[in-house]
Amino acid sequence: QSVLTQPPSVSAAPGQKVTISCSGSSSNIGNNYVSWYQQLPGTAPKLLIYDNDKRPSGIPDRFSGSKSGTSATLGITGLQTGDEADYYCGTWAGSLSAGVFGGGTKLTVL
Amino acid sequence: QVQLQESGPGLVKPSETLSLTCTVSGDSITGYYWTWIRQPPGKGLEWIGYIYYGGSTNYNPSLKSRVTMSVDTSKSQFSLRLSSVTAADTAVYYCARRGGHLYFDYWGQGTLVTVSS
Repeated sequence: QSVLTQPPSVSAAPGQKVTISCSGSSSNIGNNYVSWYQQLPGTAPKLLIYDNDKRPSGIPDRFSGSKSGTSATLGITGLQTGDEADYYCGTWAGSLSAGVFGGGTKLTVL
Repeated sequence: QVQLQESGPGLVKPSETLSLTCTVSGDSITGYYWTWIRQPPGKGLEWIGYIYYGGSTNYNPSLKSRVTMSVDTSKSQFSLRLSSVTAADTAVYYCARRGGHLYFDYWGQGTLVTVSS
């Protein structure tokens, strides 16, 4: 069982928007920055969002991140079939003195 | 462009020690924290720990008794040793560079390590 809770799966049609939630507590998300990763099938994870809402160079603005209290959200607009992947949130858990990830969310673009 | 490449045995016997090395190219290893993350087949990501280029470390408490990380700045490499492995340690092991607030901006391609006799 992961420290951070994500929905196992989400789906939406091409061109539509989807959001993926990441729920934690005051000992992790509530007092630390959140990052998001995209893992395409058979590949290494790729950083999409860091420091809650910042995009690394090269990541399109279709991807956005936000944080409120002990939860964070990844938003993807203008969905493309190439966005089908597993998405993970991550942060620092002070109570555990460890980095932690959510269990991952599989995005299906119908 | 920073590149990371894991190397090491793909098969380790139970009770033995898993040893992996990550080679960094395209940027200096100095000034950064370097991380190991693993992913059991079909499962999610697990943070193993990180090492600073100067040698200080921080390990996941759940693995701390079995993990040792080291760094060789002259070779631009850092390493992971995980002792007393069991089948539960079978996973794809990734090395990655840690950014400021514990995010991971560059990743290796990953290497599958299977624990089996």
